[in-house]
Amino acid sequence: DGGITQSPKYLFRKEGQNVTLSCEQNLNHDAMYWYRQDPGQGLRLIYYSQIVNDFQKGDIAEGYSVSREKKESFPLTVTSAQKNPTAFYLCASATGTGPPGQLNQPQHFGDGTRLSIL
Amino acid sequence: AQTVTQSQPEMSVQEAETVTLSCTYDTSESDYYLFWYKQPPSRQMILVIRQEAYKQQNATENRFSVNFQKAAKSFSLKISDSQLGDAAMYFCAYRSYNNNDMRFGAGTRLTVKP
Repeated sequence: DGGITQSPKYLFRKEGQNVTLSCEQNLNHDAMYWYRQDPGQGLRLIYYSQIVNDFQKGDIAEGYSVSREKKESFPLTVTSAQKNPTAFYLCASATGTGPPGQLNQPQHFGDGTRLSIL
Repeated sequence: AQTVTQSQPEMSVQEAETVTLSCTYDTSESDYYLFWYKQPPSRQMILVIRQEAYKQQNATENRFSVNFQKAAKSFSLKISDSQLGDAAMYFCAYRSYNNNDMRFGAGTRLTVKP
């Protein structure tokens, strides 16, 4: 079955370390997204990518980096510059821009990664 | 930038009753898409219903329906015959027509009482 796989489910980071969260999709979707969710809050967009080798910053990109070398993969690196990284991270994908009939396709979400600081 | 506001942090409903969750948004665009997502304790995001702004008819999916008021920029979700499995966080979301930028509200936690 097609879907989005995020790994690991739980991740711990020491102070000053960079960590990378994995997101893989086999839905042949062009667009991929990373969101952060804090307790009692909604989703905030970190980065998104509409096509391979291209990505744009979202609302809270500082302290994060991404790459999109393959259509299927959109890893997120939480760098040491992110001072408050403890959160739940959700990856999503959607069909890209194209004929209007495709634009209403909803995002498919992974199961998320919970990142905590040791 | 577009913003999405959910003014009800928490709502509760009696099983089998009807509940309406509110959502308003701010945009200068005329074409866009609106969604309601459900996030149960498992944290997975599940699409509940979607609405294209160019359609006047309100979307309906079984027990879920929306009241889309484009002029008022309002997009409320009505859940009829509430079930215990409906208990979750519900997020309203806005997506631009011309790009893939998607914005979410802060969410409403729905409790269903037996």
